[in-house]
Amino acid sequence: EAQVTQNPRYLITVTGKKLTVTCSQNMNHEYMSWYRQDPGLGLRQIYYSMNVEVTDKGDVPEGYKVSRKEKRNFPLILESPSPNQTSLYFCASGMAVSYEQYFGPGTRLTVT
Amino acid sequence: QQPVQSPQAVILREGEDAVINCSSSKALYSVHWYRQKHGEAPVFLMILLKGGEQKGHDKISASFNEKKQQSSLYLTASQLSYSGTYFCGTEIRGSQGNLIFGKGTKLSVKP
Repeated sequence: EAQVTQNPRYLITVTGKKLTVTCSQNMNHEYMSWYRQDPGLGLRQIYYSMNVEVTDKGDVPEGYKVSRKEKRNFPLILESPSPNQTSLYFCASGMAVSYEQYFGPGTRLTVT
Repeated sequence: QQPVQSPQAVILREGEDAVINCSSSKALYSVHWYRQKHGEAPVFLMILLKGGEQKGHDKISASFNEKKQQSSLYLTASQLSYSGTYFCGTEIRGSQGNLIFGKGTKLSVKP
């Protein structure tokens, strides 16, 4: 089954404790991206990757890191999480940016 | 740079029509439309790449006015299953890869 998976689905953590949210797709997609969703603000792009080893900042990259060492994986790293990073995070993938994007199920992160 | 969607919310009766607009201040390469139901991930509806192009998806269609940097989503004879939040996503010319979404339009269809 074609899908984008994210782990964990829910996470409660404390300020400053490094965490990684994994994202994996099984559709051989070139393009992958991360978004955060906050009430009333829509989906805001954090980082995107056009291909392996190629990553670029989106609109809200501060406080986040990503890597794309393999085509299928695109982890999101929060090295020192803060409460303002409490949000719902979505990973997405597509053949390219100008194609249908498939979203993962989301990760709800709470930073206390 | 975030595109502006209007209206912010709309309530319909089953069978009524609705139009959701998406407007950008930048020249656009493409416009995407997605629907998100409560507690779920966004789901792709359609993408428009050319000026004036109109695409359809069952009773949902969209247009893209490249000169005005505007797109509209048309929902005809709405069904209960159309309820959700609709997002437009825009690719700005010269910034391919950066997909910028609007804040969304909440659509509620009542029996």
